[in-house]
Amino acid sequence: EVLLVESGGGLVQPGGSLKLSCAASGFTFRDYSMNWVRQAPGKGLEWISYISGRSTTIFYTDSVMGRFTISRDNAQNSLYLQMNSLRDEDTALYYCARDGSGGSYFLDSWGLGTLVTVSS
Amino acid sequence: HSALTQPASVSGSPGQSITISCTGTSSDIGGYNYVSWYQQHPGKAPKLIIFDFSNRPAGVSDRFSASKSGNTASLTISGLQAEDESDYYCSSYTDSSTLVFGGGTKLTVL
Repeated sequence: EVLLVESGGGLVQPGGSLKLSCAASGFTFRDYSMNWVRQAPGKGLEWISYISGRSTTIFYTDSVMGRFTISRDNAQNSLYLQMNSLRDEDTALYYCARDGSGGSYFLDSWGLGTLVTVSS
Repeated sequence: HSALTQPASVSGSPGQSITISCTGTSSDIGGYNYVSWYQQHPGKAPKLIIFDFSNRPAGVSDRFSASKSGNTASLTISGLQAEDESDYYCSSYTDSSTLVFGGGTKLTVL
């Protein structure tokens, strides 16, 4: 069974930093691209970042470019999101999500999310 | 890329069929057959119900079907059941090599 467990969320002041982690199990982690998707309270889903299996390809949505960094450690079956210069509008539940197999463009497994609150 | 456009809400009675639309542009929906749909119950993680604009993952009811025409994708749920009451999101691959989601549609089963 595919399992994705996010951690690292919490309360941080504007301008601060936070690093999210996602522990993966139940599949060969290095064979899959991974994503971060967030959902502000009461709002819709927003895709924010993608990383390929070998970390050779990375993409970000414009609103986090230059502030967030996605990375992974295939030896540890873990995905990360380093978030710097946090803003109020970054407050959201952050989900780790797996790409479907074979160079797909859909997210076939999701974690339960970790909540990030940016507030003074 | 701007978010894809979905109706904020739709409703239907048990046994009826409903359709949720998802409108984008030629840079996303219109340019690729990579539309997916997700179901999200309150307080739960999203669940993939349609991928590659019309395919269902294993275990998803065949009451869920989808199609695409031009810049608009559609999700149809037939034989509505109480358990279908949920939020539904569409998503598309874009020409910037990113994913974009719709704003979400709340389905109410009357």
